[in-house]
Amino acid sequence: DGGITQSPKYLFRKEGQNVTLSCEQNLNHDAMYWYRQDPGQGLRLIYYSQIVNDFQKGDIAEGYSVSREKKESFPLTVTSAQKNPTAFYLCASRDWAGPAYEQYFGPGTRLTVT
Amino acid sequence: AQTVTQSQPEMSVQEAETVTLSCTYDTSESDYYLFWYKQPPSRQMILVIRQEAYKQQNATENRFSVNFQKAAKSFSLKISDSQLGDAAMYFCAYRSAIGGGADGLTFGKGTHLIIQP
Repeated sequence: DGGITQSPKYLFRKEGQNVTLSCEQNLNHDAMYWYRQDPGQGLRLIYYSQIVNDFQKGDIAEGYSVSREKKESFPLTVTSAQKNPTAFYLCASRDWAGPAYEQYFGPGTRLTVT
Repeated sequence: AQTVTQSQPEMSVQEAETVTLSCTYDTSESDYYLFWYKQPPSRQMILVIRQEAYKQQNATENRFSVNFQKAAKSFSLKISDSQLGDAAMYFCAYRSAIGGGADGLTFGKGTHLIIQP
């Protein structure tokens, strides 16, 4: 089945450690996205990538980094510089050949930093 | 920058009744797309319905329909014959059509919909 995989579902880290969240898609989509969801805040865009080896900052990129070495993979690293890393993280992808095409979302990763 | 506002943090409706969720947005663009996403307790985001701004006709998907008022920048979602499975967080989202709209979605803060049996 085609879709987006995010692993793990739950992730726990100590403060001061970097952590990388995985996102893989087999939909052959060009564009991929990372969003952060906090209670009462909706989803906010962290980073996005339209093609391999290229990515842009979203609205809340500080403290995060990404890479896009393969079309199907878009990992997100939460660095120790991120002041409030505990949140729910959602990865999404889209075939941007057509502007009306929807974004497909992965199941998300809940990150808890203590 | 675009903003999306959902003024109803929580709504409650009796099963089989109709409920309308409100969404307003602010943009200076004329071409864009609007979406309603559903997020059940599993937290999986599910597209409910989408509307292209250049289309005057309101989108409809089975029991879900929208009232798109472009001049008023309003995009409400109507759910008819509410079912227990409709209980979820509902998010309104905006995407620009400029540059293929590749720069992601702008979301509202969501409305928690409760279905009373």
